[in-house]
Amino acid sequence: GDSVTQMEGPVTLSEEAFLTINCTYTATGYPSLFWYVQYPGEGLQLLLKATKADDKGSNKGFEATYRKETTSFHLEKGSVQVSDSAVYFCALRGAGNMLTFGGGTRLMVKP
Amino acid sequence: EPEVTQTPSHQVTQMGQEVILRCVPISNHLYFYWYRQILGQKVEFLVSFYNNEISEKSEIFDDQFSVERPDGSNFTLKIRSTKLEDSAMYFCASSRDIYSGNTIYFGEGSWLTVV
Repeated sequence: GDSVTQMEGPVTLSEEAFLTINCTYTATGYPSLFWYVQYPGEGLQLLLKATKADDKGSNKGFEATYRKETTSFHLEKGSVQVSDSAVYFCALRGAGNMLTFGGGTRLMVKP
Repeated sequence: EPEVTQTPSHQVTQMGQEVILRCVPISNHLYFYWYRQILGQKVEFLVSFYNNEISEKSEIFDDQFSVERPDGSNFTLKIRSTKLEDSAMYFCASSRDIYSGNTIYFGEGSWLTVV
């Protein structure tokens, strides 16, 4: 079945540092890929998505490129802020109708 | 921006009691979902619902769970006899269609604590 693996956290960075959160997936067919973010005490919000190979999703300074050859969708941001502290979930939506999530990566950004 | 709304935000219930979690999906969406997240664990799919019937369900969604769309706006998850291990955040979600590229939108969740 479909699965998503993302790097375990927590990831602790200083403000303005570069962020990478790795995500790889296994799926049949051609899934769409998503990053969701969960801020403390809140629900899941879509951060960005990509629907086909080589697409780049971007939002709020975050980017991720759909790499079919490496089955990856790594999340990057050039300069993180304290307000980016949250849990980030990589997910795919494939042949089944549902989203399959990775385990989540907690990001802590220190001033 | 339209959003999925859920009530209650937090519920404490005794083991063995029935619980109903309520959701109002985005108005022009046709597909509805429930997911759950046990504290510190993955977000897990429970069930999807379309055209007034379950379209898919996971192994977690056993006979103690049921879903219903009692009117044109609400979508409910009922847990018939709660167990301690049902303690989790339950997320309702909706999407316009089943095209994989379309976003599934989530509510803010309902925290269920079973004591």
